[in-house]
Amino acid sequence: EAQVTQNPRYLITVTGKKLTVTCSQNMNHEYMSWYRQDPGLGLRQIYYSMNVEVTDKGDVPEGYKVSRKEKRNFPLILESPSPNQTSLYFCASSSDQTVGTEAFFGQGTRLTVV
Amino acid sequence: GDSVTQMEGPVTLSEEAFLTINCTYTATGYPSLFWYVQYPGEGLQLLLKATKADDKGSNKGFEATYRKETTSFHLEKGSVQVSDSAVYFCALSDVDSNYQLIWGAGTKLIIKP
Repeated sequence: EAQVTQNPRYLITVTGKKLTVTCSQNMNHEYMSWYRQDPGLGLRQIYYSMNVEVTDKGDVPEGYKVSRKEKRNFPLILESPSPNQTSLYFCASSSDQTVGTEAFFGQGTRLTVV
Repeated sequence: GDSVTQMEGPVTLSEEAFLTINCTYTATGYPSLFWYVQYPGEGLQLLLKATKADDKGSNKGFEATYRKETTSFHLEKGSVQVSDSAVYFCALSDVDSNYQLIWGAGTKLIIKP
């Protein structure tokens, strides 16, 4: 089954404790991205990757890191989480970035930083 | 820059009512337009899309027509069901945004039996 898998689904952590949210896709997609979803703000892109070893900042990259060492995996790293990073996070992938391309989303990771 | 504006929610309807969720956009180019749906506890999934003016996207009884003259892509369904309760997102992508998806804020739809 074609899917994007995120882990964990839920995470509660303390301020400053490094964490990683994993994302893996089995569709051989070149393009992957991370979003955060906050009430009233829709989805905001954090980082994206056009291919292996190619990453770039989205609209809200501060406080986050990513890496793309393999095509299927695109982990999101919070080196020193803060309460304002409490949010719902989604990983997405698509075959490319052209007109009309569908994005496939993971089920989301709800992160709470206390 | 490009932007998408959706009607604020929540929208509350009774089962079998007619649904319209308004979406308008601003773009300098010729964007593709999308509706994504997020069911409770799940990720987003594509509901329908249109890639050029006057195209109509449709799926699961939902429809939306790409209206370039009014820069709109309103979502409609003739008879909603309780199972349609979800958050609906309008989005666009075009060459000017490097094909990144630009999202509306989302509209929560609640259908009461």
